[in-house]
Amino acid sequence: NAGVMQNPRHLVRRRGQEARLRCSPMKGHSHVYWYRQLPEEGLKFMVYLQKENIIDESGMPKERFSAEFPKEGPSILRIQQVVRGDSAAYFCASSPGIDEKLFFGSGTQLSVL
Amino acid sequence: QKEVEQNSGPLSVPEGAIASLNCTYSDRGSQSFFWYRQYSGKSPELIMSIYSNGDKEDGRFTAQLNKASQYVSLLIRDSQPSDSATYLCAVIQGAQKLVFGQGTRLTINP
Repeated sequence: NAGVMQNPRHLVRRRGQEARLRCSPMKGHSHVYWYRQLPEEGLKFMVYLQKENIIDESGMPKERFSAEFPKEGPSILRIQQVVRGDSAAYFCASSPGIDEKLFFGSGTQLSVL
Repeated sequence: QKEVEQNSGPLSVPEGAIASLNCTYSDRGSQSFFWYRQYSGKSPELIMSIYSNGDKEDGRFTAQLNKASQYVSLLIRDSQPSDSATYLCAVIQGAQKLVFGQGTRLTINP
């Protein structure tokens, strides 16, 4: 049973470009979470999704950021018109249900030049 | 007040001693609590979960929960250099939103 798969592992973008981060949850998991982590800081909640639904996006910036978890395929975190402050590690986690443990992917390190 | 608070450390403990990590949370309705370990440059990995008041032991690790005081802790007995990492306290708030503290950096000195 493969773990949570994130790609790419590293992503370099220039200011103003778009960044797309992908996350395939563990088999049987229908709950997906995205977190952002800046160096030497904790994990900041961004968004919680179930298949085809955004459950809680209270941690998402109002502009430029969006997330989806379609019926088929991976969850996507999309950042439009990236700025240097978007540089961070973005972690995806999945769980099989409410109040269940979260399992994390290896993360995507986004660097904005 | 932060939702989940931890002392960022660094906390230094000699090898073989007990390391004690503490966490407080603000949402009195929270029912589920977790400790994650994160090595530098790696993703967090779950080491303990606790849901009821009292102690829960798993090997060298003991989690302690006191809901009345809104306090959760992690004890690591017989600390090893491989335990050196950042330890993240996490609390489920509302409808399945897992909120993390800023983490405590632990160093075990040989």
